[in-house]
Amino acid sequence: GAVVSQHPSRVICKSGTSVKIECRSLDFQATTMFWYRQFPKQSLMLMATSNEGSKATYEQGVEKDKFLINHASLTLSTLTVTSAHPEDSSFYICSANLVRGQDYGYTFGSGTRLTVV
Amino acid sequence: KQEVTQIPAALSVPEGENLVLNCSFTDSAIYNLQWFRQDPGKGLTSLLLIQSSQREQTSGRLNASLDKSSGRSTLYIAASQPGDSATYLCALGTSYGKLTFGQGTILTVHP
Repeated sequence: GAVVSQHPSRVICKSGTSVKIECRSLDFQATTMFWYRQFPKQSLMLMATSNEGSKATYEQGVEKDKFLINHASLTLSTLTVTSAHPEDSSFYICSANLVRGQDYGYTFGSGTRLTVV
Repeated sequence: KQEVTQIPAALSVPEGENLVLNCSFTDSAIYNLQWFRQDPGKGLTSLLLIQSSQREQTSGRLNASLDKSSGRSTLYIAASQPGDSATYLCALGTSYGKLTFGQGTILTVHP
């Protein structure tokens, strides 16, 4: 089946540094990827929609200068948390939707646990 | 704006019991509805996807129903097992892939 590989799975960084999270579609081309964030004991909230070859679309309240999204190829989307602060500590997860004939579904990366100290 | 609510927030049952998780949504003009399972600190596992034109889907001990007119979906788990313990999320999908999630139901099945 379709797989999205997300790395790293865990990262601890110092406040003020930047962290890059990668999501790769391994056996399909993902023209669109979605980036979600999940705070402890809360549900997933969409941060932005990443489109190959164009600028990402950010949800209301998400700072685009802080969360840089790059989708330069059909198999790779990256999220960079710039100048990270402790309040950015969260679980970040990417998703791609799949359309194969009559089938439609979603596939998720395994997530990245970011801790900013 | 679509809002998704899941009830109950947490559920603890003995092994073997049948159970129902509930999901309600405010906008009935949905594209699809999906149930996911999330284990602590892990990503999401897709359980069942119901297209807008469908009423239910079944996979093994799981059955999900969809009633667009009332804005509700249920996930039925038969003969629950300790391995079913996880957070169950329902999500409403759009035609371009965006998902709106409920806050989840934390299920604990004790031996």
